Amino acid sequence: KAGVTQTPRYLIKTRGQQVTLSCSPISGHRSVSWYQQTPGQGLQFLFEYFSETQRNKGNFPGRFSGRQFSNSRSEMNVSTLELGDSALYLCASSLYSGRTEAFFGQGTRLTVV
Amino acid sequence: GENVEQHPSTLSVQEGDSAVIKCTYSDSASNYFPWYKQELGKGSQLIIDIRSNVGEKKDQRIAVTLNKTAKHFSLHITETQPEDSAVYFCAASTPPQGAQKLVFGQGTRLTINP
Repeated sequence: KAGVTQTPRYLIKTRGQQVTLSCSPISGHRSVSWYQQTPGQGLQFLFEYFSETQRNKGNFPGRFSGRQFSNSRSEMNVSTLELGDSALYLCASSLYSGRTEAFFGQGTRLTVV
Repeated sequence: GENVEQHPSTLSVQEGDSAVIKCTYSDSASNYFPWYKQELGKGSQLIIDIRSNVGEKKDQRIAVTLNKTAKHFSLHITETQPEDSAVYFCAASTPPQGAQKLVFGQGTRLTINP
């Protein structure tokens, strides 16, 4: 069974641009969560989508948004990029929202210059 | 909200020795505590987890213990091997969000010296 797939693996953008990251969960999994990992702040929860609906949201500005499609694939969008948005963005896949384990993808390394 | 503290930030042990990483959490309602191993090129793997109705869980050389009263949980790796070298993260979650909204510790870089 294929794992969580995130694309692209690496991305370089300039300040002010926007970016869209993609996550394909494990087949059959319906919940996708997104995390931002930086050396200073560690791993921080962005949001969770289940059945195409945002279920939970972390403490990030409105520039960070996401969506989920009917096939459970999810995208995360960051608009008006800032230097501080440079980070490893990880998505986690779970069977359902709630008690089931979360499995992470390898992440997308975003560099904002 | 929940806050998770992880210690130590770096740990170096001799191959074959044991390694212990400790985490404390603040929200007594937290009931799910996973551990992830992060390696370059391999992403973050769930290596073991424990729920609040259990005090200890083992999987071969890896074990996790949970003390709900003290609000701390620990990862124990016995007979360490070079491939155990990685960054380890503990996490906690609170119902009803479950594992879908994890609060992570700061991570521990574990180095196994041959």
